[in-house]
Amino acid sequence: KNEVEQSPQNLTAQEGEFITINCSYSVGISALHWLQQHPGGGIVSLFMLSSGKKKHGRLIATINIQEKHSSLHITASHPRDSAVYICAADFSNTGNQFYFGTGTSLTVIP
Amino acid sequence: GAGVSQSPSNKVTEKGKDVELRCDPISGHTALYWYRQSLGQGLEFLIYFQGNSAPDKSGLPSDRFSAERTGGSVSTLTIQRTQQEDSAVYLCASSLVGTANTEAFFGQGTRLTVV
Repeated sequence: KNEVEQSPQNLTAQEGEFITINCSYSVGISALHWLQQHPGGGIVSLFMLSSGKKKHGRLIATINIQEKHSSLHITASHPRDSAVYICAADFSNTGNQFYFGTGTSLTVIP
Repeated sequence: GAGVSQSPSNKVTEKGKDVELRCDPISGHTALYWYRQSLGQGLEFLIYFQGNSAPDKSGLPSDRFSAERTGGSVSTLTIQRTQQEDSAVYLCASSLVGTANTEAFFGQGTRLTVV
């Protein structure tokens, strides 16, 4: 069964803190995507990865294929990072859709 | 265009009316997806188009929902005889050749409210 689980569901952090959001998935994937959804609904793709690690500014995404686990890290968090972060798996056994985690709602307090 | 464009951004309609939602994908992207996000819920797959292949309609919740993609570009999602439970944000995404190892780009969504 294709499943994606995210944790935590909600996260509040002080500005400057290092943040980690976790994503686990059930079976093999072709790729895993991290998305950011701001209030108002717009979604932005942050990363797509199938192995290793990617970095973009203060954002870092890692994936461990053997453990079926990915993490999104935010260094030196800022209030503008407040958003919902969603992981989406492209499972190897289906090519037609993403399976989404339920999202992590992040609030960064000044 | 530079990104995936959806219109309208907001739509309020009366129960029982038909609505059409439009998605303009990024030029050259052969894969197009429709998703729905109901209030407080995660993203739900609706339909997937890939090139000239028959679309994957497995996520459409009822026969009141249909979608087409003309000329391999613009897509229209139609909801007939709208119900209050259809109220949601409808998101469109496109990618270059399909999901495997290609990045998906999302539109801003259409917020549909059925009153």
